[in-house]
Amino acid sequence: AQSVTQLDSQVPVFEEAPVELRCNYSSSVSVYLFWYVQYPNQGLQLLLKYLSGSTLVKGINGFEAEFNKSQTSFHLRKPSVHISDTAEYFCAVNTGNQFYFGTGTSLTVIP
Amino acid sequence: DGGITQSPKYLFRKEGQNVTLSCEQNLNHDAMYWYRQDPGQGLRLIYYSQIVNDFQKGDIAEGYSVSREKKESFPLTVTSAQKNPTAFYLCASSLASWAEAFFGQGTRLTVV
Repeated sequence: AQSVTQLDSQVPVFEEAPVELRCNYSSSVSVYLFWYVQYPNQGLQLLLKYLSGSTLVKGINGFEAEFNKSQTSFHLRKPSVHISDTAEYFCAVNTGNQFYFGTGTSLTVIP
Repeated sequence: DGGITQSPKYLFRKEGQNVTLSCEQNLNHDAMYWYRQDPGQGLRLIYYSQIVNDFQKGDIAEGYSVSREKKESFPLTVTSAQKNPTAFYLCASSLASWAEAFFGQGTRLTVV
């Protein structure tokens, strides 16, 4: 079975500082990769996705992620965070017929 | 507007009662999913359906049941056999099994 590891459960960062949220997955077969954001008591919203092509993908709200096949990673980055980025972030892998989610990273932006 | 609607947003039930959570989508998606979310555990798959009148168990199907009689509807019943039903439940749909999933706003179920 596929596993998705989000290496940091909580990440505090000061406003306007850069941030990286790490995600590793176990599968060596072709996968589709996603990052979602969740605000309190709400559903998940898609930030960005990698299906094929360029390994650097850009998403909404200034986020980007890089697919590294050799390291089976898909880390999420933002060069300058805002207070409104405080939320839970989930990495997800789809092997073609099912999603597998990480346990989430809670990002807290400190004023 | 197109999207996924879950109702109700908050639900309270007494222990031993069955309860049904509603999920409707108007995105014309074939695939639909139910996830359970508990603090620190991420999302766990309960059931999924890739086509009308067909569905498969996910990782934690025990104590739950679903139906898929219409493309746009995928209700989840939490039965009295579910030992710890208090949780946040999320419904999602996707155009195909490999495509991005769109999520509803969730239903928070509390069993007392």
